[in-house]
Amino acid sequence: DTAVSQTPKYLVTQMGNDKSIKCEQNLGHDTMYWYKQDSKKFLKIMFSYNNKELIINETVPNRFSPKSPDKAHLNLHINSLELGDSAVYFCASSQVWAVSHEKLFFGSGTQLSVL
Amino acid sequence: EDKVVQSPLSLVVHEGDTVTLNCSYEVTNFRSLLWYKQEKKAPTFLFMLTSSGIEKKSGRLSSILDKKELFSILNITATQTGDSAVYLCAVLQGAQKLVFGQGTRLTINP
Repeated sequence: DTAVSQTPKYLVTQMGNDKSIKCEQNLGHDTMYWYKQDSKKFLKIMFSYNNKELIINETVPNRFSPKSPDKAHLNLHINSLELGDSAVYFCASSQVWAVSHEKLFFGSGTQLSVL
Repeated sequence: EDKVVQSPLSLVVHEGDTVTLNCSYEVTNFRSLLWYKQEKKAPTFLFMLTSSGIEKKSGRLSSILDKKELFSILNITATQTGDSAVYLCAVLQGAQKLVFGQGTRLTINP
């Protein structure tokens, strides 16, 4: 029944590895996002997709590549993980692109620890 | 550079106290300001403010926006231990981008 679900909840890995985080929403929303929250609790947008089309791509290293196979899924693949990638990554979705941002629903987060 | 600054960063009060959380912003193409509550995991939506001077209320929580002075406050009256959380302020920039502040960690002691 979870509206926005992301897996895994925890991810511990070595530097240099490649990992993926999956996100799915069952709300029928058009837009999905990836946010990164660092240790100081700053939430920063990374990407947004609207109907599988990339809309926002903030200054994120090329090692991060989002993929949206359909509008209910937005996965995040990270290559060559670095220590600074350690953070909590939140997936989110909203009902209508550019409108009703108050309907932004967050997933429960993926805590990534790079050793 | 666009920024949203919240104060205080941390606040500890006793149950029953009233608290005021502050959020100031310098963001181009301002659309609206939002408040979120983050407990253990995902932030949950509290308020969205678009116009100055119109107070939004939900139970013991209320918020108001001043677009001239570029700030917002979130008030919580008669605080309860369940109000303990990180409160996040975010500004909707343009059509789709939320710029978040660093949050205020509120702790309510019984």
